[in-house]
Amino acid sequence: TQLLEQSPQFLSIQEGENLTVYCNSSSVFSSLQWYRQEPGEGPVLLVTVVTGGEVKKLKRLTFQFGDARKDSSLHITAAQPGDTGLYLCAGAGNQFYFGTGTSLTVIP
Amino acid sequence: DTAVSQTPKYLVTQMGNDKSIKCEQNLGHDTMYWYKQDSKKFLKIMFSYNNKELIINETVPNRFSPKSPDKAHLNLHINSLELGDSAVYFCASSPAVGLAGRGQYFGPGTRLTVT
Repeated sequence: TQLLEQSPQFLSIQEGENLTVYCNSSSVFSSLQWYRQEPGEGPVLLVTVVTGGEVKKLKRLTFQFGDARKDSSLHITAAQPGDTGLYLCAGAGNQFYFGTGTSLTVIP
Repeated sequence: DTAVSQTPKYLVTQMGNDKSIKCEQNLGHDTMYWYKQDSKKFLKIMFSYNNKELIINETVPNRFSPKSPDKAHLNLHINSLELGDSAVYFCASSPAVGLAGRGQYFGPGTRLTVT
């Protein structure tokens, strides 16, 4: 089993603060995805990173794939209440392996 | 237009019953999946089908049987339901089998409660 550990597991911050979520593994992945899941809904794909060292920006969200393609980070600038949700990373190998999840709450 | 749809959204049933969950995707994807999300929100793959053929079958009790009548549909039938089967089940699809890793598109989930 290719385990993906996310940290922190829970995060509660004030609106306007910055935060970083980490996704770490000892396995190499061909690509890595980040998803956001809101209560009662399915995960929604945010981004896919493919190349080691790749950085992608999606408005206030910045995603980075580690050079060795074993880890990734998600940085949110000036968090807003709409960013609240469960953030999941997933590594692609011969199937998709999901991370342990980070539950983010942004307090207005 | 719903990309990946599942029915029912909620399913409450008693132990020992047999139930089915249906999934359809209109994205033209070749690969479909079933995941189980437990109370700690961990997503665990159960099955994967590529063009109606089973390609991934994780360690899942044989009471769970997937069926794919065509590449747009992947249904999940569960026999002799047990309390431990209570969870949220998600269907997903992707354009390729994990290798290119463009990501997956998930349905809204089916919350199964076994009493």
